[in-house]
Amino acid sequence: ILNVEQSPQSLHVQEGDSTNFTCSFPSSNFYALHWYRWETAKSPEALFVMTLNGDEKKKGRISATLNTKEGYSYLYIKGSQPEDSATYLCALIDGQNFVFGPGTRLSVLP
Amino acid sequence: GAGVSQTPSNKVTEKGKYVELRCDPISGHTALYWYRQSLGQGPEFLIYFQGTGAADDSGLPNDRFFAVRPEGSVSTLKIQRTERGDSAVYLCASSHSGGAYDTQYFGPGTRLTVL
Repeated sequence: ILNVEQSPQSLHVQEGDSTNFTCSFPSSNFYALHWYRWETAKSPEALFVMTLNGDEKKKGRISATLNTKEGYSYLYIKGSQPEDSATYLCALIDGQNFVFGPGTRLSVLP
Repeated sequence: GAGVSQTPSNKVTEKGKYVELRCDPISGHTALYWYRQSLGQGPEFLIYFQGTGAADDSGLPNDRFFAVRPEGSVSTLKIQRTERGDSAVYLCASSHSGGAYDTQYFGPGTRLTVL
């Protein structure tokens, strides 16, 4: 069973701070990693699909990097805003389905 | 365009009852997934449909859980003899073709509470 870990479990930052968190996974048999943002009472929203070692993706103030050799991906948020408060999930492909990590719950305080 | 929808948004039932949860995927998406999310955990895979057939049902916890997708669009997750441990948010997602690089688009979930 593929084991996907995320750290930290939760994070509180002040508005304007930059922050980052980690998704860790076994480095063997890597196919793709997906990042999602899940705001309370909404649907999980796709952020990035990362496939190649060294990939860097950016969407506004959010960016992500991927290291498949050492088995981790970082998600960065620059200048956090209250609307960034959400649970950030990473998921890896295992066979034909996704295996999700437990998520990092981010709270941005105004 | 319309996203993935799920009904009901909330369902409260008593232990031992039967429940059905419905998912309407994005039109044209051949792949459909069901997940279950318990408090403090990430979504846990239950079953994956490719068209009308269940391509992978290895995540269904036991034979009380069953899902169908008879016409390759709408799917229903059925839970018999519900138990308190079945309480969770049930998420449905669809993707264009089900490949590893395909983004899965999620519905808002059905929160099931078994009393």
